Amino acid sequence: NAGVTQTPKFQVLKTGQSMTLQCAQDMNHNSMYWYRQDPGMGLRLIYYSASEGTTDKGEVPNGYNVSRLNKREFSLRLESAAPSQTSVYFCASSEPPLQPQHFGDGTRLSIL
Amino acid sequence: LAKTTQPISMDSYEGQEVNITCSHNNIATNDYITWYQQFPSQGPRFIIQGYKTKVTNEVASLFIPADRKSSTLSLPRVSLSDTAVYYCLVGDIRGSGTYKYIFGTGTRLKVLA
Repeated sequence: NAGVTQTPKFQVLKTGQSMTLQCAQDMNHNSMYWYRQDPGMGLRLIYYSASEGTTDKGEVPNGYNVSRLNKREFSLRLESAAPSQTSVYFCASSEPPLQPQHFGDGTRLSIL
Repeated sequence: LAKTTQPISMDSYEGQEVNITCSHNNIATNDYITWYQQFPSQGPRFIIQGYKTKVTNEVASLFIPADRKSSTLSLPRVSLSDTAVYYCLVGDIRGSGTYKYIFGTGTRLKVLA
C-alpha cells in the first residue's frame, strides 16, 4: 500500500531549466495538492485539483503549472527554474477536498 | 482566510501531557481545523481534525472554543517518539466553489527523557 508516491526524491537544476515533478496516489482520492515547504515558513499551497479535470491556484502559483493527468496522477511543472524555487515539494491527496490529506515524502529540489 | 500562528518550539518530558495552541483569529464559518505531525525528511501525517468543541481519537484530543479563534492539540503522555514538528491547518470552501488552505508555521516539540 504505497499511498502517495513522488518522483524524483532529489533533483538539482540549473537556472532556466525545466522540470516536471510527478505524483501518484493509489487511494482512489478525488482531490490532490502540491505544496512547497521552505525553512521556517511551513507549507504553502501551490495548486490543487479538487477533482479529475479541474485545477485551481493556491497561495503561491507563480512560476508553476500543473496537470491532472487522470484520477491517480497530478504533476507539477517548472517551466524556467529560478533559485527562489529551491524548496521541498510535497504532493498530497484527500477525499473529499476538506478531509484529512495524505502526503508523500517530498521532492527536494535545488536550483543553482 | 485565517492566518494561523503557533509557538515556534516547546520542550516536554516523557510521560507529560503536551498542549500546543494555534491561533486563527480570522477563522471563517466554514473553516475546518486539522493538525499534522511531521518527522524529518517525511511528509506531514494527519493527527486529528475538528470543527468545534472537542474531538478525541486514539492519539490526541483537539479542543476548539466557542469563538473558534484558536485550537489546542493535546497529546497525552508523550514519549521520545513524539519529538516532531506539529502543524495546524485551516481550510475552507469559498462561495465561488474554490478551496483555501493555510498551514501554520509549525511548533517544534522536543520530548526529553
